[in-house]
Amino acid sequence: GENVEQHPSTLSVQEGDSAVIKCTYSDSASNYFPWYKQELGKGPQLIIDIRSNVGEKKDQRIAVTLNKTAKHFSLHITETQPEDSAVYFCAASETSYDKVIFGPGTSLSVIP
Amino acid sequence: DSGVTQTPKHLITATGQRVTLRCSPRSGDLSVYWYQQSLDQGLQFLIQYYNGEERAKGNILERFSAQQFPDLHSELNLSSLELGDSALYFCASNRGQGIQETQYFGPGTRLLVL
Repeated sequence: GENVEQHPSTLSVQEGDSAVIKCTYSDSASNYFPWYKQELGKGPQLIIDIRSNVGEKKDQRIAVTLNKTAKHFSLHITETQPEDSAVYFCAASETSYDKVIFGPGTSLSVIP
Repeated sequence: DSGVTQTPKHLITATGQRVTLRCSPRSGDLSVYWYQQSLDQGLQFLIQYYNGEERAKGNILERFSAQQFPDLHSELNLSSLELGDSALYFCASNRGQGIQETQYFGPGTRLLVL
């Protein structure tokens, strides 16, 4: 089955710097890759996603890249702010009806 | 506020007991997903229902069962509870049948098994 690895497990950056979180997946059939942000005491929140027919997607300060050949995908946050501090999860799944497999999470701290 | 509600917020029970967690999806959403989040297992997909029928199954134990009712609310039943079942249980919903449509997560039910 699918296995998703995520690095680093913890990340500290200064406010205004960029943060990069990297994930790898094992199942070449996966074609949908969402990213979730989970703040303390709350449920995960979808922040961006990418499908296999796209190599890069950007939404304001957040961007995601996908390399299907290498089975890598990454989350980039630019101009980080203290409110970006949270746990971020990457995930992978096949098409509809299939389960999503989550990475173990990255705890991001943005230091003011 | 995602529009997904879960009750109860917290639940403390003993090993061997049975509990029921309840989820009400956003208005108009036909799919309900259940997830378990624990320190050692991370975030795991358990099961999905679409319009009352089971649609996808993940790492759900045989001691666990779920259903979705005609009014689209869903219940997750956990029986013969073990210490390792202590976790946060999330419900999520979306309009369609698949994971590729944005899922809206509820606030979770924190289960503690003593």
